[in-house]
Amino acid sequence: DQQVKQNSPSLSVQEGRISILNCDYTNSMFDYFLWYKKYPAEGPTFLISISSIKDKNEDGRFTVFLNKSAKHLSLHIVPSQPGDSAVYFCAASYAGAGSYQLTFGKGTKLSVIP
Amino acid sequence: KAGVTQTPRYLIKTRGQQVTLSCSPISGHRSVSWYQQTPGQGLQFLFEYFSETQRNKGNFPGRFSGRQFSNSRSEMNVSTLELGDSALYLCASSLAGVDQRYFGPGTRLTVL
Repeated sequence: DQQVKQNSPSLSVQEGRISILNCDYTNSMFDYFLWYKKYPAEGPTFLISISSIKDKNEDGRFTVFLNKSAKHLSLHIVPSQPGDSAVYFCAASYAGAGSYQLTFGKGTKLSVIP
Repeated sequence: KAGVTQTPRYLIKTRGQQVTLSCSPISGHRSVSWYQQTPGQGLQFLFEYFSETQRNKGNFPGRFSGRQFSNSRSEMNVSTLELGDSALYLCASSLAGVDQRYFGPGTRLTVL
């Protein structure tokens, strides 16, 4: 049972436009959400996170929105740049059992076209 | 500060063999977790260690095991390798109780 879902395997966006990556989750216990970016042959790099007590968090060109009632979060990148081309993973965690295990989605490959 | 390091970066083994992968966390980080990444499957959680104790384990067979040493370095071992074990194995470290994981570059394991 996949608890974190990224239903779009890939996304293409023109440089300068907005990229919107979506993520859905099923476990209502999740209370912390993160986005990671991964380039080929490198480990994932942390981008931005959001706690369940907030509905928006912004960091430069990156904004994450959380809709708890819909169990949905999205990452907005504005404006998109060619260097943003990578695989983006959504992850979620909860402080259950004294551990902060991260559950990842399968990723969305973003291609920003110059 | 040096990042998370993993050795070796690439490994080729044959079915039935065993393999040990190593991970050195960021200095001061006491939590180390391991993930398996296969094409189209995202990152699947293997296990997490904190202060030499396994704190959490994912849904993998007993052929996958790990340990953490007193200096927080960690190893994972896969015995009786199968073709399906071919994957990128990622190690991540974090401060105790902090969710942000810092990942290493991974070890690419190929099983022939």
